[in-house]
Amino acid sequence: QVQLQESGPGLVKPSETLSLTCTVSGGSISSYYWSWIRQPPGKGLEWIGYIYYSGSTNYNPSLKSRVTISVDTSKNQFSLKLSSVTAADTAVYYCARDYRRTTVTPGYFDLWGRGTLVTVSS
Amino acid sequence: EIVLTQSPGTLSLSPGERATLSCRASQSVSSSYLAWYQQKPGQAPRLLIYGASSRATGIPDRFSGSGSGTDFTLTISRLEPEDFAVYYCQQYGSSRTFGGGTKVEIK
Repeated sequence: QVQLQESGPGLVKPSETLSLTCTVSGGSISSYYWSWIRQPPGKGLEWIGYIYYSGSTNYNPSLKSRVTISVDTSKNQFSLKLSSVTAADTAVYYCARDYRRTTVTPGYFDLWGRGTLVTVSS
Repeated sequence: EIVLTQSPGTLSLSPGERATLSCRASQSVSSSYLAWYQQKPGQAPRLLIYGASSRATGIPDRFSGSGSGTDFTLTISRLEPEDFAVYYCQQYGSSRTFGGGTKVEIK
């Protein structure tokens, strides 16, 4: 079955760029949308943005100026970059499949990675 | 942005009891594009319900969702020990936003 796995540094310094990769295994990244979601310790969930396998993106307006999501179909991976991080960006970062029942309906998150904790600290 | 407010914040119940969780939206959620997720400590969220009332694959029928417009409900008919967790609602009709969560704890 399809599985997602996040990878990347667990510690990032303030003002630097957080970079994470999600590897999709057991299935193709093609024909689906893929999202990043984060959860600060002890708090709720926040959607960061999604990417279609073709490369089209949509970001949370509150993070849009700092976020870039990209896809590499040859590696079955998609990635997140979040610039100018502060302590408020400390969170568990999840990648998830943004599943659409049809090409014109919006998606919900039907598959999730296990998440990776990223701490912003000097 | 559609803001989702979940209530209560914490629900203290015993196994076998019925749980009723509420999710209220600041504006109408188009076409009932609302989902529910369950999250246990140290785990990723798991999809329970999409489209306000459709159960995801493998979800037991003791979980049911209802509602439309701005008011939605997740009901667990008889709580099993493994159901004690945090539950989040999420709308996907206008961007994507999550509610703050309801913790279902053992009384």
